[in-house]
Amino acid sequence: TQLLEQSPQFLSIQEGENLTVYCNSSSVFSSLQWYRQEPGEGPVLLVTVVTGGEVKKLKRLTFQFGDARKDSSLHITAAQPGDTGLYLCAGVEGTYKYIFGTGTRLKVLA
Amino acid sequence: NAGVTQTPKFQVLKTGQSMTLQCAQDMNHNSMYWYRQDPGMGLRLIYYSASEGTTDKGEVPNGYNVSRLNKREFSLRLESAAPSQTSVYFCASTGQGYSPLHFGNGTRLTVT
Repeated sequence: TQLLEQSPQFLSIQEGENLTVYCNSSSVFSSLQWYRQEPGEGPVLLVTVVTGGEVKKLKRLTFQFGDARKDSSLHITAAQPGDTGLYLCAGVEGTYKYIFGTGTRLKVLA
Repeated sequence: NAGVTQTPKFQVLKTGQSMTLQCAQDMNHNSMYWYRQDPGMGLRLIYYSASEGTTDKGEVPNGYNVSRLNKREFSLRLESAAPSQTSVYFCASTGQGYSPLHFGNGTRLTVT
């Protein structure tokens, strides 16, 4: 079973629209990371959040870690075709165990 | 600057055959990981090695074995391949703390 559930699973939107991806778990994580994966490649880190309630911004992307450190969200403002890809959250249990979410496949249409 | 290198890139096996997937990193990382990625399932952790000399089971270890050969290399072995093991396998490594995982480009395995 996947400990981290992401929603939605698929998202197809027009360029310029906003969107939010959710990552939920019943487990508490020491930190949470978001990755983006392109076809034929491994995931690449976007951000790490560590403190409950923490908010980080990366240009048009805003990441939030839940107060209880069990969930997170990724908000994209004014999506562009270059944002297309598979978005993955990953919770860190303890120090070494990285558990990935189910993934959200985003397609941004021009 | 190679990063994480996985071999082979593609492999086709018949049910019951065995094989070893190789992974090497040149970033002097302590921790290494093996994941599998199936459509719609994200990545699932098979085994990980927090440091040289240690290995631990992840979410889906059944049917697999691993060896941390040295600090650089971490191999994944399928002793008797089954069609359910058809997947893309990713190796990753990281330093310490809340460091990011660095991934290889994956091995696409098909078991017929």
